[in-house]
Amino acid sequence: DQQVKQNSPSLSVQEGRISILNCDYTNSMFDYFLWYKKYPAEGPTFLISISSIKDKNEDGRFTVFLNKSAKHLSLHIVPSQPGDSAVYFCAATVMAGSYQLTFGKGTKLSVIP
Amino acid sequence: DSGVTQTPKHLITATGQRVTLRCSPRSGDLSVYWYQQSLDQGLQFLIQYYNGEERAKGNILERFSAQQFPDLHSELNLSSLELGDSALYFCASSVIAGGTDTQYFGPGTRLTVL
Repeated sequence: DQQVKQNSPSLSVQEGRISILNCDYTNSMFDYFLWYKKYPAEGPTFLISISSIKDKNEDGRFTVFLNKSAKHLSLHIVPSQPGDSAVYFCAATVMAGSYQLTFGKGTKLSVIP
Repeated sequence: DSGVTQTPKHLITATGQRVTLRCSPRSGDLSVYWYQQSLDQGLQFLIQYYNGEERAKGNILERFSAQQFPDLHSELNLSSLELGDSALYFCASSVIAGGTDTQYFGPGTRLTVL
């Protein structure tokens, strides 16, 4: 049973426009959520996170929104740049636990110049 | 460069064999995590060590084992290998073992079982 789902395997966006990547979760115990970015032949790199006490967190061009009632989070990238082309993984964890991350399958973002 | 190193980068072996994957965490990090990424799958948590002690176990097969040494490097041992064990294996490290401490990932070891 997949506890973290990214239903869009891929997304193409024009350079300069907004990219919106979505993620749903089923486990109500999750209280900390993260986005990782992965380039080919590299390990995932931490991008941004949000705790369940917030509904929004911003870091430069990246904003994560959390809707706890819908068990849904999204990552907005504005404006999108060609260097943002990568696979984006949504992950979730329980802060009071061992901090093992549960990942979605990823969404491949292509930003077209 | 995350500061986490993994060796080897690629490993090709046959079914039934045994391999060892090695991970060196970032300097100062006490916690090491192992994840497996099979084709078209997200990363699956296998096991976590903190300062030499096993801290948490995920969906790790009995044929797999790991340990963390006094110098904090970790090894993941995979035995009686099957075709389905072919995957990318990632190691991550963090300073502590909980809270909101960021996990930093190594570049991974690609294992191919023929």
